[in-house]
Amino acid sequence: GENVEQHPSTLSVQEGDSAVIKCTYSDSASNYFPWYKQELGKRPQLIIDIRSNVGEKKDQRIAVTLNKTAKHFSLHITETQPEDSAVYFCAAIYSGGGADGLTFGKGTHLIIQP
Amino acid sequence: GAVVSQHPSRVICKSGTSVKIECRSLDFQATTMFWYRQFPKKSLMLMATSNEGSKATYEQGVEKDKFLINHASLTLSTLTVTSAHPEDSSFYICSASPQGAKGYTFGSGTRLTVV
Repeated sequence: GENVEQHPSTLSVQEGDSAVIKCTYSDSASNYFPWYKQELGKRPQLIIDIRSNVGEKKDQRIAVTLNKTAKHFSLHITETQPEDSAVYFCAAIYSGGGADGLTFGKGTHLIIQP
Repeated sequence: GAVVSQHPSRVICKSGTSVKIECRSLDFQATTMFWYRQFPKKSLMLMATSNEGSKATYEQGVEKDKFLINHASLTLSTLTVTSAHPEDSSFYICSASPQGAKGYTFGSGTRLTVV
């Protein structure tokens, strides 16, 4: 099955700086890579995703890059704000139409220092 | 769109009793739903895949007789934790993916505490 590694486990950045979280996956068949933000005691919220036919995707301050050859993908948050503080999870899956569950990384606790 | 509702949000039960958690897709039909468990400060771990009208598929290491899953309709899946023990205390969260749409939507989760 799929195995997803995520680094770092904790990331502290100054407000306004950029944050980068990296993930690697093991199954070359995986073709869908979502990123979730989870606040304490809340449900994970999808913030951005990318499919294997695209190398990069951007949505305002958030971007995701994918390197299929190296089997790694990264989340980039620019101009960080206090409300970006949360736990971020990457995931990977071979998406055949929603029939399979996600394999998550272990999470990154992002702390935005004022 | 793509809303998943989960109930209850919190439950405290005595050791040895059973607890049922409901997961509903409110505005779409879900032939498949997923159940995850999340321990404090840990990641979400897939427990099982709930299939409408057929048996659930359990991940390795998850006891199917302890975590009973029923998916009797296209909008409802239930997870029953039977003979609960303190080590079953966790955050249980369901998920579904609207057919043809991107992404998986999560329920609000259930905080189970077994005393």
